Amino acid sequence: GIQVEQSPPDLILQEGANSTLRCNFSDSVNNLQWFHQNPWGQLINLFYIPSGTKQNGRLSATTVATERYSLLYISSSQTTDSGVYFCAVEWDGGSQGNLIFGKGTKLSVKP
Amino acid sequence: NAGVTQTPKFRVLKTGQSMTLLCAQDMNHEYMYWYRQDPGMGLRLIHYSVGEGTTAKGEVPDGYNVSRLKKQNFLLGLESAAPSQTSVYFCASSYPPRVLAFGSGTRLTVV
Repeated sequence: GIQVEQSPPDLILQEGANSTLRCNFSDSVNNLQWFHQNPWGQLINLFYIPSGTKQNGRLSATTVATERYSLLYISSSQTTDSGVYFCAVEWDGGSQGNLIFGKGTKLSVKP
Repeated sequence: NAGVTQTPKFRVLKTGQSMTLLCAQDMNHEYMYWYRQDPGMGLRLIHYSVGEGTTAKGEVPDGYNVSRLKKQNFLLGLESAAPSQTSVYFCASSYPPRVLAFGSGTRLTVV
């Protein structure tokens, strides 16, 4: 099956700093999403981005499908950005609905 | 509009006991999913459903069964619980183009 690798596994930032999180995948995909899991365990969808670039406030994401990676940018980080960021992909050659998650990047933003 | 609701939120089982986790969504979503989350492992797909009356296996289906008798409900069953099934279980549903909305999770401990 498709492999999903996220980097870095852990990231510590000072409030106000910028960061880039990466998601590499091993095969072509027709669905790619980014999620944030807050310290209380709630999972929130940030982006649906199988290709191209999207922005939502201080967050933006870019997927280069031909090179099999996606990037999540966080600018001017805030303590509320802390948590774990996951990417999830659906292999183009697999069953619809089989959405596979990476192991996540744990982000800690210090005041 | 409650979104995705999981019951129960917490449960402790003895090894060998059975139980059913209920997921309900009121968004008329076609797709529903069950994931488990373990430390350092990210979210792993157990089973999913692409519509009422259908189910499919995910990455880690062994030891679990599911049913989708009604469009709004997706049940996850453990017939004979094992300590390895201690985990946090998340249900999700999705709308085109399969953007996931998650429930708040069920923390299950098997002793």
